[in-house]
Amino acid sequence: DAKTTQPPSMDCAEGRAANLPCNHSTISGNEYVYWYRQIHSQGPQYIIHGLKNNETNEMASLIITEDRKSSTLILPHATLRDTAVYYCIVRVVFGNEKLTFGTGTRLTIIP
Amino acid sequence: DTAVSQTPKYLVTQMGNDKSIKCEQNLGHDTMYWYKQDSKKFLKIMFSYNNKELIINETVPNRFSPKSPDKAHLNLHINSLELGDSAVYFCASSQRVGIEAFFGQGTRLTVV
Repeated sequence: DAKTTQPPSMDCAEGRAANLPCNHSTISGNEYVYWYRQIHSQGPQYIIHGLKNNETNEMASLIITEDRKSSTLILPHATLRDTAVYYCIVRVVFGNEKLTFGTGTRLTIIP
Repeated sequence: DTAVSQTPKYLVTQMGNDKSIKCEQNLGHDTMYWYKQDSKKFLKIMFSYNNKELIINETVPNRFSPKSPDKAHLNLHINSLELGDSAVYFCASSQRVGIEAFFGQGTRLTVV
């Protein structure tokens, strides 16, 4: 079972920052927060992951609260191609390798 | 170059038939997976292999039999197909202690 809670859907205007929240109040100390997205039934695509520090890469930024019970994925300048379902996942890296997907957030970028 | 490739992309077959889906990765990863995404878009893991050895089997019916001839390939064979097997099947790979999993483009299986 997924250990995360996400809003089912969100809209964001093109060019604006998209902020996608995720609650993971039961996260364990050795669990990382991962974000994937799935564009129109293509295979899921890795975006970013983090443990407790904020992370940034070429796709997005990940902000994790100090208590690690929630996080926010930020797409700084959303484009129409960012329309997708975004999944927040917690997992232990050095153990069972499986990803447990929840229902995700359907993000729609509006022109 | 496609990192994780699956064939076929679409598969339509009758109930009771046996079919296979092939998956190959050229990333040099040690771990490969099969996921199933049903009509409600729930994405669930089915199997995971590490260096040709089964490490995860998520209570999938034994009509589903994964086979890994080498660590770059993980094929999925399905016997006696049922209507409920209709779904999109995704193959993925990752390093054993890896950061990210790479997914294929999926195989849409329709059982009629």
